[in-house]
Amino acid sequence: AQSVAQPEDQVNVAEGNPLTVKCTYSVSGNPYLFWYVQYPNRGLQFLLKYITGDNLVKGSYGFEAEFNKSQTSFHLKKPSALVSDSALYFCAVVNDYKLSFGAGTTVTVRA
Amino acid sequence: EAGVAQSPRYKIIEKRQSVAFWCNPISGHATLYWYQQILGQGPKLLIQFQNNGVVDDSQLPKDRFSAERLKGVDSTLKIQPAKLEDSAVYLCASSPLNGEKLFFGSGTQLSVL
Repeated sequence: AQSVAQPEDQVNVAEGNPLTVKCTYSVSGNPYLFWYVQYPNRGLQFLLKYITGDNLVKGSYGFEAEFNKSQTSFHLKKPSALVSDSALYFCAVVNDYKLSFGAGTTVTVRA
Repeated sequence: EAGVAQSPRYKIIEKRQSVAFWCNPISGHATLYWYQQILGQGPKLLIQFQNNGVVDDSQLPKDRFSAERLKGVDSTLKIQPAKLEDSAVYLCASSPLNGEKLFFGSGTQLSVL
């Protein structure tokens, strides 16, 4: 069974508009959750993580994510998207000591 | 700080041939991972090392894939013989602690013809 799901294959937004990339998880206990970004022809880069504490986590490049236990979600957000944010975004969760990735969401920000 | 180094960057082989990938993790990182990323999918963990010991290889196709990390530093991943469905990007990652933030290399893009 998939530990983490990204329901949208693609997200398209205009530059300057808010950006949201959705992620839901299905692991027992307290989850360790991550967001990674992959730019073309480059490896994955860490954006942010949630281990415990404040449900709103701030990360790199102006991104933040909100942990919602009741909805088992960890959506990635950015208040004002940039064209340079266009990339492939992966949500991940530590499950049984392994980091498992979602299928990814392609974000396209148009000028 | 030097990142995770991987080589080669690209590899094209014919099916049934052998291929090997190399990874040098960030200095001091005890945990090393090999992931397989097929086009359109998220990375799938193949094997995880803690120092030179295997922590998890449950998703490694052991009939054709092998990996080692003899001195607890760099690692090699081998496929022998390769199949068409092995075409993917092979990502190496390292972390200072198990389950913590991973640092990824640029990957090796394998095409099996």
